[in-house]
Amino acid sequence: QSVLIQPPSASGTPGQRVTISCSGSSSDIGTYSVSWYQQLPGTAPKLLIYSDNQRPSGVPDRFSGSKSGTSASLAISGLQSEDEADYSCAAWDDSLNGWVFGGGTKLTVL
Amino acid sequence: EVQLVESGGGLVQPGGSLRLSCAASGFTFTTYAMSWVRQAPGKGLQWVSGIGGSRSSDSTYYADSVKGRVTISRDNSKNTLYLQMNSLRAEDTAVYYCAKSAGYSYGTYFDCGGQGTLVTVSS
Repeated sequence: QSVLIQPPSASGTPGQRVTISCSGSSSDIGTYSVSWYQQLPGTAPKLLIYSDNQRPSGVPDRFSGSKSGTSASLAISGLQSEDEADYSCAAWDDSLNGWVFGGGTKLTVL
Repeated sequence: EVQLVESGGGLVQPGGSLRLSCAASGFTFTTYAMSWVRQAPGKGLQWVSGIGGSRSSDSTYYADSVKGRVTISRDNSKNTLYLQMNSLRAEDTAVYYCAKSAGYSYGTYFDCGGQGTLVTVSS
């Protein structure tokens, strides 16, 4: 079982806005920055959001991140078919002295 | 361009050993912390081990699930990261990804990863 809790699935229609949540604790999200990773089918994970809400160059501004307390969220606006992928959150955990991930959310574009 | 290429995966019997390698290029390897992250079939990502960059004196950390069975190391002269895995169990079956941190500390987010190498532990 993953330390960070994400819904296993999410869905939306093209153009819609969807949000994926990530719940942790004071030893991880409550203290450290959250990053988000996108994994397209059959490929390796790719950094999508870092430091809670920063986008690497090349990531469309349709993707945004936020954090409040011990929870974080990834929002995708103007949903496109190519956004269909697995999305995972991650943070450092100082009680485990290691990285913890969410179990991943499979996003389906209907 | 940053490139990370993993190798060394394969089929191994329970109790066996494997050494994974990750050849890095396109950045100053010695500076950055590196990690191994794995993904069991149909499961989420799981951090396995990390090693700091030069400013962290190459310090190492391990997930509890592998502590005592795996050793992470790096050869900065060869720009290569390693993961020596011993006493392998069926639950170690996964694709193993090499991941580069954005800074010298292993507590910094992963900004790049390789394509992975599959480890299958089965008799």
